[in-house]
This record gives sequence, structure tokens and C-alpha cells, in this order.
Amino acid sequence: DTEVTQTPKHLVMGMTNKKSLKCEQHMGHRAMYWYKQKAKKPPELMFVYSYEKLSINESVPSRFSPECPNSSLLNLHLHALQPEDSALYLCASSQVRDSPYEQYFGPGTRLTVT
Amino acid sequence: AQSVSQHNHHVILSEAASLELGCNYSYGGTVNLFWYVQYPGQHLQLLLKYFSGDPLVKGIKGFEAEFIKSKFSFNLRKPSVQWSDTAEYFCAVNPNDMRFGAGTRLTVKP
Repeated sequence: DTEVTQTPKHLVMGMTNKKSLKCEQHMGHRAMYWYKQKAKKPPELMFVYSYEKLSINESVPSRFSPECPNSSLLNLHLHALQPEDSALYLCASSQVRDSPYEQYFGPGTRLTVT
Repeated sequence: AQSVSQHNHHVILSEAASLELGCNYSYGGTVNLFWYVQYPGQHLQLLLKYFSGDPLVKGIKGFEAEFIKSKFSFNLRKPSVQWSDTAEYFCAVNPNDMRFGAGTRLTVKP
């Protein structure tokens, strides 16, 4: 099984809402990632978890809060978002964080902030 | 600054034409190189990767790429494209964490 699953597929939320995105993999990977992808742009790295510990936070605003409850799950908690946060949010995993391992991507959650 | 550059933003080809998409990077030291594809409405998929060894790597769906260390390049090629190759193609470099180029949109006309 080389699948990374993400839920929900689509999410519409107001600027005062609190919501969460969920990502799951069962490949035994110990590194998991959150990316943000705007239309016609490449994915931009947001967070990296290595062995369930946050390794990198790429200067992401605090209205995005990641969580890694266990080695298979990754959440992204959203609160007080802005319309410019509307994007495709991608989750990925790899065997371990350090290269040369490729990353496996999920289908993404299409987020619209109204 | 360290970066990944894809020179072509949008490439339009007819079926059976040959394809070459350019990718240059500016990271020093050992890097690992990837090409990912994103078909319309689908998730990113790995086409091929280079870690070491033979600089000519073959991937899925008839794609190949050549690593030229002296030119810091990792160009993607396919001898004969099909309509189903219409997609966004991303070059990526992994010195520590994955860094993507801006992407090249390929449109193949039937």
C-alpha cells in the first residue's frame, strides 16, 4: 500500500471557524509533511515531522497548527484563517526525513476561506 | 540563492512530438533529484528519481531524465508524447527537504 489519504477532499470555512485537516499513511514512514499549493504554483513546504516530532516550521502563521498524534497520522488545525489561505493543502510522507527517499503525496484538501 | 529553475512555463506539443523539459538547480553538495507529475485533478506522482550511479534514469510511462553534474541540470525527456501526458510537471531537489521548481504545464494536442 503506497497510499497517503487525506480528508476532507473539500472544505469551505469562514474566517472565524475552527477546522482540521487529516492525513494518514500506513507505509511505516517516519517523516510526514504539510505543503500548501496555490493554483498554477509549486507546492510550498509548511511543516515537517520526523519521528512524530516537529522538525521544520517554514515561518507559517500560528493560525495553522500541526499535530502528529502517532506515526501514521498527521493533522493540521486551522483557526481564524484569511481568504488568502485558500489553497490545496497536500500531505506527504517518506521513509525517513533525510534524502534520498522520495515523498508520496496525498490527493490534497481543497480549502476555501470565505 | 539556492533554487530550482524550470525554464519552460507552458509547452504545447502535438501527439508523437518529442519532449524535453529543462531543470537547473543551484544547490551545492550532494543532491537528490526528482521529477513529479500532476495530472489534472490528481495528486502528485513520482515519474523518476536520481540518487547516484548511471546519470540517465528511466521512469514510468516512457519518461527518462539525464543528470549532468557540470551543468547542474536534470532535464526530462520523452521521445513521443501522447495526449494523456497533458499535465503539470515539477522538477524537485532534495538537499534536505524537497524543493520544487515552478512547474511546466504540458499540453499535448490530439
